[in-house]
Amino acid sequence: QVQLQQSGAELVKPGSSVKISCKASGYTFTSYDMYWIKQQPGNGLEWIGWIYPGNGNTKYNQKFNGKATLTADKSSSTAYMQLSSLTSEDSAVYFCARAMGINFDYWGQGVMVTVSS
Amino acid sequence: DVVLTQTPPTLSATIGQSVSISCRSSQSLLDSDGDTYLNWLLQRPGQSPQLLIYSVSNLESGVPNRFSGNGSETDFTLKISGVEAEDLGVYYCMQATHAPLTFGSGTKLEIK
Repeated sequence: QVQLQQSGAELVKPGSSVKISCKASGYTFTSYDMYWIKQQPGNGLEWIGWIYPGNGNTKYNQKFNGKATLTADKSSSTAYMQLSSLTSEDSAVYFCARAMGINFDYWGQGVMVTVSS
Repeated sequence: DVVLTQTPPTLSATIGQSVSISCRSSQSLLDSDGDTYLNWLLQRPGQSPQLLIYSVSNLESGVPNRFSGNGSETDFTLKISGVEAEDLGVYYCMQATHAPLTFGSGTKLEIK
């Protein structure tokens, strides 16, 4: 069955970077877009960007240009998102989601990133 | 960016009651390809969101048929015909017609 297993919670210092992962299984990793979505505590959802692992193509929400970098490793069927120059505004839960078109049919369990000194 | 306004923000329902959630868009979501990319998601407490309805009215596989969606252009509705206990959570509309993809602010469904 399709599964997206995300890495564990992160506690990071302001100004640093963090790289979180999303390991896919149960389907052909290179055939579907992988989206990344941000959810701040008590807030709604915000689209960060997507990557197509088949060729590495990416598209970002302009708001996250320079903040998020999406990559994918076909050999391990794992998608990654690196967040840089972290501030308290980056404290959130980050989800990966497989997309069939723009329909997010499978989601990871989410990774909580806490930015604190 | 397209703003999706959901009403009501909170909804309280008894088991078996039918409820509706509205999602109003700041721009028409009818794409030039003829499709309307408006989806509905449910996020149960402590869980990841899940897809309920795609392209306005299409039920995602495995989703109970008490859920239905309709609407066009800028006005959309999600209806639950006979709320069940497992339906509690936050409902989001989402559009992908215009970049960037955006979400509504959510409607929290509580069970009385």
